[in-house]
Amino acid sequence: QKEVEQDPGPLSVPEGAIVSLNCTYSNSAFQYFMWYRQYSRKGPELLMYTYSSGNKEDGRFTAQVDKSSKYISLFIRDSQPSDSATYLCAMIGQGAQKLVFGQGTRLTINP
Amino acid sequence: ETGVTQTPRHLVMGMTNKKSLKCEQHLGHNAMYWYKQSAKKPLELMFVYSLEERVENNSVPSRFSPECPNSSHLFLHLHTLQPEDSALYLCASSQVTSGANEQFFGPGTRLTVL
Repeated sequence: QKEVEQDPGPLSVPEGAIVSLNCTYSNSAFQYFMWYRQYSRKGPELLMYTYSSGNKEDGRFTAQVDKSSKYISLFIRDSQPSDSATYLCAMIGQGAQKLVFGQGTRLTINP
Repeated sequence: ETGVTQTPRHLVMGMTNKKSLKCEQHLGHNAMYWYKQSAKKPLELMFVYSLEERVENNSVPSRFSPECPNSSHLFLHLHTLQPEDSALYLCASSQVTSGANEQFFGPGTRLTVL
């Protein structure tokens, strides 16, 4: 079983839709949960991170962590064509150095 | 220059060549990383340097040889590579603390081995 599972997609939605991206994980030691966005031919860019369970909002983006279910989500409201990218979840234990990444979900927002 | 820079951005090499990838971070971080990104696979951590000492080597073949001369620079020396080594090689840096250890990535070097 992979430590982090993420549906690679591709996922295609119309502009303005609410997008839900998800990851599941198996290691209960993970404490920090991150979302990276990677545009084509670029490196991953950190969008936001959450510590332990709960929600975190940043503009149109909301990250949600449910540690009891080992499930994390990223919601994008009012999606824009510029949100088209690959979204990678990543997680890490307290004081650890090794980030564990999901495979990434390729998202396309159609105008 | 800001953030994390990598050179070259693209590299094509034969299996008998020797080349080096360079990474520089301008963030004042104390840890640097090499990752390999292949199609349809998660990012694979190759090497970690913390305070200029290698702390992790995830069973990477010896044809990849890292070098970290100081906290701002990281190299990946390549020799006798195989076609399956073709991938995007990403460098990242972070400030290691007891917290999230957020990593910031460079744009990557797209490597093609013929």
